[in-house]
Amino acid sequence: AQKITQTQPGMFVQEKEAVTLDCTYDTSDPSYGLFWYKQPSSGEMIFLIYQGSYDQQNATEGRYSLNFQKARKSANLVISASQLGDSAMYFCAMREGYALNFGKGTSLLVTP
Amino acid sequence: DGGITQSPKYLFRKEGQNVTLSCEQNLNHDAMYWYRQDPGQGLRLIYYSQIVNDFQKGDIAEGYSVSREKKESFPLTVTSAQKNPTAFYLCASSGGTAVWETQYFGPGTRLLVL
Repeated sequence: AQKITQTQPGMFVQEKEAVTLDCTYDTSDPSYGLFWYKQPSSGEMIFLIYQGSYDQQNATEGRYSLNFQKARKSANLVISASQLGDSAMYFCAMREGYALNFGKGTSLLVTP
Repeated sequence: DGGITQSPKYLFRKEGQNVTLSCEQNLNHDAMYWYRQDPGQGLRLIYYSQIVNDFQKGDIAEGYSVSREKKESFPLTVTSAQKNPTAFYLCASSGGTAVWETQYFGPGTRLLVL
């Protein structure tokens, strides 16, 4: 069964606007970590933000924030003030044990 | 600068040939991983290693082999038994295997079959 679901294959946002990328996850383990990565066309996976299952507050890293709703098992990424350089694939991932389980990704295009 | 390097950037494999992808890290990380990415898909785990001289199979290990003789290095061999090797291969490392440990990735190797 799919552990990470990203329901938006593609998203458009205008420069300087905020955008939310959806992620839902499935686990029965009380201890897990949620990660978001950015993959530009060059292919490298760039770590953006982390949220632990026991964290009480939503994680923030600069223009990135994570809207963590534990009861709903969702971990949406919010990018504020979008920039043209934010155009890329974005992957949500969950870590329960040794490895990361990835979603299929959302392609974000930022337009001028 | 600390980081992860992968070589080559592109690799071509002929039928029946084994090829080896290199992964080196200077982050002093104990754990290293190999993932495969197919077009339009997320990453899938091939092998991981928590410590030198130890490694474990991931979800799609068939047709692949690894070694971990040095902390810094975790090469992946794609054997002739891997019937569909064309993919993007990403190496990663982390300080440990706890759920809060972030995995950092190298730039990747694209493998194509001639």
